[in-house]
Amino acid sequence: NAGVTQTPKFRVLKTGQSMTLLCAQDMNHEYMYWYRQDPGMGLRLIHYSVGEGTTAKGEVPDGYNVSRLKKQNFLLGLESAAPSQTSVYFCASTYGGLSTDTQYFGPGTRLTVL
Amino acid sequence: QQQVKQSPQSLIVQKGGISIINCAYENTAFDYFPWYQQFPGKGPALLIAIRPDVSEKKEGRFTISFNKSAKQFSLHIMDSQPGDSATYFCYATDSWGKLQFGAGTQVVVTP
Repeated sequence: NAGVTQTPKFRVLKTGQSMTLLCAQDMNHEYMYWYRQDPGMGLRLIHYSVGEGTTAKGEVPDGYNVSRLKKQNFLLGLESAAPSQTSVYFCASTYGGLSTDTQYFGPGTRLTVL
Repeated sequence: QQQVKQSPQSLIVQKGGISIINCAYENTAFDYFPWYQQFPGKGPALLIAIRPDVSEKKEGRFTISFNKSAKQFSLHIMDSQPGDSATYFCYATDSWGKLQFGAGTQVVVTP
């Protein structure tokens, strides 16, 4: 049981490049989330999904897109990377809604945009 | 705008001492208040959580105190150990999916 895994672990992009971060969970969880973590700001929700084929915006969605084509996978895309998107990105999943369930986090992806 | 304000930003405590981290929230609809622990290079993991129908919850050396009228909750780490050195995040959420993490507190426990 791997839990929540994220690919890649590290990435360096140039301004304007695109990339996709992959999150996978093997716990049969319905809900999945993408956060970014910046110093002094805690974790901020980018997008989330309440089930296969559904996505919704979180607190800081601008500049990001997501897709949930399969229940176990949640992809985060950056179409045109900007230095402000330099951050550590965490994926998380829960069986049910946030008010009742534990969030299980992946190990994170450290992204640097030059 | 930070709806959950966490303090202090960092603290250093000697082994065996008590670490206290405080969080204050604004949204009265929040009804679930977990604390997450994060070690360097790892994702956060749930440590302990409380709902507003109780004023205190204890699990081992970790205790959450909750003051609904003041809209504050705190984490107490008793008999702090070097292995407790980590960043701690408070978190608040409501039944509608609104959620907010605190900014985090870096705790260093010295031998």
